Amino acid sequence: RKEVEQDPGPFNVPEGATVAFNCTYSNSASQSFFWYRQDCRKEPKLLMSVYSSGNEDGRFTAQLNRASQYISLLIRDSKLSDSATYLCVVRDYQLIWGAGTKLIIKP
Amino acid sequence: DAMVIQNPRYQVTQFGKPVTLSCSQTLNHNVMYWYQQKSSQAPKLLFHYYDKDFNNEADTPDNFQSRRPNTSFCFLDIRSPGLGDAAMYLCATSRAIPDGDNQPQHFGDGTRLSIL
Repeated sequence: RKEVEQDPGPFNVPEGATVAFNCTYSNSASQSFFWYRQDCRKEPKLLMSVYSSGNEDGRFTAQLNRASQYISLLIRDSKLSDSATYLCVVRDYQLIWGAGTKLIIKP
Repeated sequence: DAMVIQNPRYQVTQFGKPVTLSCSQTLNHNVMYWYQQKSSQAPKLLFHYYDKDFNNEADTPDNFQSRRPNTSFCFLDIRSPGLGDAAMYLCATSRAIPDGDNQPQHFGDGTRLSIL
């Protein structure tokens, strides 16, 4: 079992739709959680840290469920510019990266 | 105002010819990381420095070495590049907090390495 697992994707979604990404992690002692966004041939960029109480930043909402060991990212009213790969990152004693889920927003 | 700067952006080298990639940061972060990323894969951590302490990942080949002469700079040396080493190499920094608080990584633009 992979330490951090994400939906394999790609997700093909019409503009304006709501998109949900899920990520599960295997180490219950994991302490920190992040969502990164990576555009094609570019470096990963931090999208959001994920806090225990859940957090929202504009159209983006991140949630953490420690009991079930998963985190989620919701994008509302998706834009063409949201097309990218979304990577889940979990920290226990080191950072573990998910393989990423590619999102394609279609006009 | 780039805070993590990698040079060069693109590097072409010959099979077996040593190459050095550089990374500098203006964030004064105490942790610096080197990742290798191949197409459609997650970044793979090669090693990281916690201040001057070097931490090598178990599966990082001996062909990859690193130096951190001071807080701001970190180098990745590939002693004898093979065709399989062609990839994007990403440098990242973070501020380590002893209590493990959420401290994300900040990435440079990466160096894309090609092997002829």
